[in-house]
Amino acid sequence: DAGVIQSPRHEVTEMGQEVTLRCKPISGHNSLFWYRQTMMRGLELLIYFNNNVPIDDSGMPEDRFSAKMPNASFSTLKIQPSEPRDSAVYFCASSGPLGNQPQHFGDGTRLSIL
Amino acid sequence: DQQVKQNSPSLSVQEGRISILNCDYTNSMFDYFLWYKKYPAEGPTFLISISSIKDKNEDGRFTVFLNKSAKHLSLHIVPSQPGDSAVYFCAASYTNAGKSTFGDGTTLTVKP
Repeated sequence: DAGVIQSPRHEVTEMGQEVTLRCKPISGHNSLFWYRQTMMRGLELLIYFNNNVPIDDSGMPEDRFSAKMPNASFSTLKIQPSEPRDSAVYFCASSGPLGNQPQHFGDGTRLSIL
Repeated sequence: DQQVKQNSPSLSVQEGRISILNCDYTNSMFDYFLWYKKYPAEGPTFLISISSIKDKNEDGRFTVFLNKSAKHLSLHIVPSQPGDSAVYFCAASYTNAGKSTFGDGTTLTVKP
């Protein structure tokens, strides 16, 4: 079992650039989640998909953020244009469809916007 | 409005002693609760969970207690070991919906 795979592990870029974070969920999991972890706001849910369909994107901070899940094995989180306040660790997680099924997290992408 | 709160940002205990991590929630509709552990530079990993129809669930050194009337749960680790040093997140969810709401985490340090 390869687990949830995120890339890149680290990203440093300048303000205004486009940033794309990638996630490969565990095979057979049909729910996928994107989280952001900061010191100020803890672990906050940005968006989650079920069967590749966005179910709840109420946590997406603003229009600069977008997420897609073109198929069951791949998702992206894009920030365009990026700002220094977007600096955080971004986690992707996957699980079965129900709330009583634990989520499996990737190791995160540490994003620094200069 | 934060629906899941872990009021203690940090906790330090001696090896061999009991660690008690606390979590409060505000939404009485939550019916499933989970604890995750997170080491530096890694993602959170699932530790233990409890359904709202129970008040206790035990797995080895880890026990979770749920007090629904107080909207409070706690994680007990006995005996604590240095390898338990990590950030512990409490999460609450609805069984029939996929997403969970996380607390801000408590950093546990177990001293040898």
